[in-house]
Amino acid sequence: DAGITQSPRHKVTETGTPVTLRCHQTENHRYMYWYRQDPGHGLRLIHYSYGVKDTDKGEVSDGYSVSRSKTEDFLLTLESATSSQTSVYFCAISRTEQGTGELFFGEGSRLTVL
Amino acid sequence: DAKTTQPPSMDCAEGRAANLPCNHSTISGNEYVYWYRQIHSQGPQYIIHGLKNNETNEMASLIITEDRKSSTLILPHATLRDTAVYYCIVRGLPNNDMRFGAGTRLTVKP
Repeated sequence: DAGITQSPRHKVTETGTPVTLRCHQTENHRYMYWYRQDPGHGLRLIHYSYGVKDTDKGEVSDGYSVSRSKTEDFLLTLESATSSQTSVYFCAISRTEQGTGELFFGEGSRLTVL
Repeated sequence: DAKTTQPPSMDCAEGRAANLPCNHSTISGNEYVYWYRQIHSQGPQYIIHGLKNNETNEMASLIITEDRKSSTLILPHATLRDTAVYYCIVRGLPNNDMRFGAGTRLTVKP
């Protein structure tokens, strides 16, 4: 158990509505990540954070924003959800101070945009 | 990061060793080889990683060739619960992007 909680675990929403997914960690680690997983694409990095208010873009960041106002929470926001953002979203943490080493993943949040 | 190539699927008999290959011919000197697995729709689970030496932990062994262009993950006594998609990833430092490909779907059969 990596001490990661994602919420909500399942969400159905309509095109054009805002959606926020939350990743909460209990271990006070510096690096946190958001990935999405789609059939045929594996997992792709959306954004990551290396500290409070410090974030950077990943491979597929368009249409997403993130915020990290507290060490324990990393929020992923879809300002105006589209059907192409239907996916399973995974949060991950690195337990090393430099963000190296292995990643530990949450259980995922399944988002459906109608 | 270097690209990896894995077979899309493999079968293994329960109780036998499962040997999962990975090619990473463009790996550079500071890049590590990581292995993860994903069981059904759960979050990926870290298995093992290495740089150049062979590694072993309670889950698996990692054999890296001397030229580092390929590696093999070994599950010594596969069980039905080892059925999963296994991902081989090459990751350099200080790169924070761990890129997952399609992986190998391992099916352990009774």
